[in-house]
Amino acid sequence: QQQVKQSPQSLIVQKGGISIINCAYENTAFDYFPWYQQFPGKGPALLIAIRPDVSEKKEGRFTISFNKSAKQFSLHIMDSQPGDSATYFCAASISGNTPLVFGKGTRLSVIA
Amino acid sequence: DAGITQSPRHKVTETGTPVTLRCHQTENHRYMYWYRQDPGHGLRLIHYSYGVKDTDKGEVSDGYSVSRSKTEDFLLTLESATSSQTSVYFCAISDPGGMNTEAFFGQGTRLTVV
Repeated sequence: QQQVKQSPQSLIVQKGGISIINCAYENTAFDYFPWYQQFPGKGPALLIAIRPDVSEKKEGRFTISFNKSAKQFSLHIMDSQPGDSATYFCAASISGNTPLVFGKGTRLSVIA
Repeated sequence: DAGITQSPRHKVTETGTPVTLRCHQTENHRYMYWYRQDPGHGLRLIHYSYGVKDTDKGEVSDGYSVSRSKTEDFLLTLESATSSQTSVYFCAISDPGGMNTEAFFGQGTRLTVV
C-alpha cells in the first residue's frame, strides 16, 4: 500500500516557468510533510517542510501548498532555473518521530 | 553537510555472498535509517534504529538485518545477496527530540549483485 502518491513522474519546464509537483497521502496521522531534492550521485537533502497548521509555506522560490481536507500537498518552484534540475521527493511522517514515507519521486528538467 | 559517512561507496558482489554496509555518523543523532532507492520506487525504508540496540523493520526488510552497537554506527547486512538487492542504499539520521526534525542523508552506496 503506497501511503504517499506523487505525480508527475517526470516534468520538463522552460527556464523562468513554474514547476508544480503534487503529492497525496492516506494516513491522517501524518503531520510533517517535507520535500527533498536530490542531484545525481548525491543523497537527498531537505528543501522545505510544512506542518498542517498552515496552508502555505514559502522559502525563496519554493512554496509548499497544503490542503488538509483533501490530504494533498504540492511543491511550486517559481522562476525555475536549470540548476533546479533534480529529482524531488515528497515525504510524510508522524510528528517527525517516525520514519519518513516517501513518494516515488519526480525528475524535473528545466530547459533554457 | 551532516557528518554521515557510508562505506563502501561502491561494491560488486556475487549472488549468495554476505555483504555488510556501514553507516557512521558524528552528529550524535538518536535515529538512524537504511533506505534503498530503485527506479520507479523512490526511497523505501529497510530498517531503522531509535537507539543503541533498538531497531525495527521497515517496508522492505526481508533479506536484510541490522545492528547498532554504538550510537555512531549502524550496519546493514545482506546475509545472502540476491540480484533483487542490486540498488543504491542510503543511510539517514535524525534527532526528533531536538529542535530540528530534519533527516540527513549520506552519499549512498551503490551495490551490484551479479
